[in-house]
Amino acid sequence: QQQVKQSPQSLIVQKGGISIINCAYENTAFDYFPWYQQFPGKGPALLIAIRPDVSEKKEGRFTISFNKSAKQFSLHIMDSQPGDSATYFCAARIQGAQKLVFGQGTRLTINP
Amino acid sequence: NAGVTQTPKFQVLKTGQSMTLQCAQDMNHEYMSWYRQDPGMGLRLIHYSVGAGITDQGEVPNGYNVSRSTTEDFPLRLLSAAPSQTSVYFCASREGQYSNQPQHFGDGTRLSIL
Repeated sequence: QQQVKQSPQSLIVQKGGISIINCAYENTAFDYFPWYQQFPGKGPALLIAIRPDVSEKKEGRFTISFNKSAKQFSLHIMDSQPGDSATYFCAARIQGAQKLVFGQGTRLTINP
Repeated sequence: NAGVTQTPKFQVLKTGQSMTLQCAQDMNHEYMSWYRQDPGMGLRLIHYSVGAGITDQGEVPNGYNVSRSTTEDFPLRLLSAAPSQTSVYFCASREGQYSNQPQHFGDGTRLSIL
């Protein structure tokens, strides 16, 4: 019940296209949903995050869409660039808890 | 600021050996944690600490020990290394226990157990 399921495992997108990564959860006590970006040889870094009281959050080319009733959220990368090639993790935190639960990760490759 | 510093970056051990992975942060963060990253498994929480002298178990604590004698340091000990512990280990820190501030990750320790 504390799992976050992420798909796809890998994704190839052409430069300028839209990259979409999806996550689903079961636990309705999750109250914070961040996305982390990880480049090879580096640790993950926070990219963007959302609370369940909003349906969308946009920062530059990155947008989180949140569907509370379906218990799903997704990351959209508009005008994808080769520099966006990285592994992306969704995560969730139970209300009042300290721990983050991570999805399985998506390796994104943007072809030039 | 250096952020979160992990040492060593790479290590090869034989089955049964013990070792300590070091983690230090210079941001005066209360919350620190250790994760392991395996292909297709994402990041799994091993142990975490909400302050000096306080530690607790995460999802996959077996075979690992931690201690938190200072705010800055949070070492992870492998007591008797097993091949199943071959992984990339990440230490992370965050400003507060329940904060929505981001977790800051180190660059990882790549550990191979032969």
